[in-house]
This record gives sequence, C-alpha cells and structure tokens, in this order.
Amino acid sequence: KAGVTQTPRYLIKTRGQQVTLSCSPISGHRSVSWYQQTPGQGLQFLFEYFSETQRNKGNFPGRFSGRQFSNSRSEMNVSTLELGDSALYLCASSWEGTGTGRQYFGPGTRLTVT
Amino acid sequence: DAKTTQPPSMDCAEGRAANLPCNHSTISGNEYVYWYRQIHSQGPQYIIHGLKNNETNEMASLIITEDRKSSTLILPHATLRDTAVYYCIATAGDDKIIFGKGTRLHILP
Repeated sequence: KAGVTQTPRYLIKTRGQQVTLSCSPISGHRSVSWYQQTPGQGLQFLFEYFSETQRNKGNFPGRFSGRQFSNSRSEMNVSTLELGDSALYLCASSWEGTGTGRQYFGPGTRLTVT
Repeated sequence: DAKTTQPPSMDCAEGRAANLPCNHSTISGNEYVYWYRQIHSQGPQYIIHGLKNNETNEMASLIITEDRKSSTLILPHATLRDTAVYYCIATAGDDKIIFGKGTRLHILP
C-alpha cells in the first residue's frame, strides 16, 4: 500500500497570504488528522476529520480550517498568514481515528512565511 | 496538556538496550499507551502500543506496570538509527492525540 502523501513538500508564502495544503491518506483509511510542529511548541494537534466530518479540534484560531472529501483526501487552509505560522505541517491517517489504532504519518509540508 | 511525562533526553550506548520511561499516573481504564518516534524532520513513526499486558513486536517491547501508572519502552539492541525523539501517548476512542515534548534519545557509538 502507498503511504500517506502530502503536497506540496515545501512552500514559501508572504504574510497576509493564504495557503492550502493537501493530504492523501492510505487507501481505506477514514480518519485524517493534522498537526503543526514548531521548535518552540512541539507537535500540536490541529483537527481530525472522519468520514468528511470534523470530529476533533485543537486550540488554534479560526484562520486554520480543513475539510475532507468523499475519497478521504483532506485539505487544510490557513488564511491571513502570520510569521508564526512557519512550521512543519503533518497529516496522519488511520482506519478508526486518533484515539484508536495506530496512525500513519506523512512526510509533512514545510511552510515558511516571510 | 499532555497526559504523560517523559525525561527530556537520554543517552544509550550502541548495542545496549535503551529503556525509555513514561509516567501516565492519570491514565483512564480505557486508554491505551502508544509510542511513536520521530527521526529528524520526518513524520512520526508508530512503534508499539498496549493496554495492560506487556507487548513485543519486531521493533521494541512495552512494559506496563500493574497499576498502569507508568510504562517503559525497550529497544533491545540500540543502533545509531534509533537516534530520535520518542513520544509516549495515552489515548482512547475518539480522543485527540496530545503529544508532549518526548524524550530525545542519543545513541552513542
């Protein structure tokens, strides 16, 4: 089986712009979760989508949003980018969800905001 | 806040067993203990998980105390490729996963 793929792998944006990141889960997985990783805050949970519905949400402002399509592919969007949004964004997929069973992580998208 | 606490860093000599402790004193009865590791700038990799009983797979062993308030991940013969940050997580059902700071394991040649 192919692993979790994320596109693009690297991205440079300017403050105030918006960005969309994409995640393709492992075939058959229904849950996709998104995480932000920065040196200062570590790995932080953004949100989880399960069968096209947001099931869990972390403590991030409304500028961070996501969605999941019927084929389980997911996108996350960050609007009005700030310098502090520079981070590695990771997505993970699993069959049942974040709290049940192992998660499979993608390689991440490294976002740099200038 | 993370439900688990781990030492920030540990050293282990190559070829020796690496024993990584994790405290989860407030773990609920239905929460599993999961271990992941993250090698520099890659996505975290699942290692092992357990509920009550000790578990072993091709990568590691997981020892959970009888009261379930702590656990130890054992890498039986550490190699340089095991240098990574190791995360211990307690989670169940529809929980969101909360990663703590993890333990940075240095394997010394």
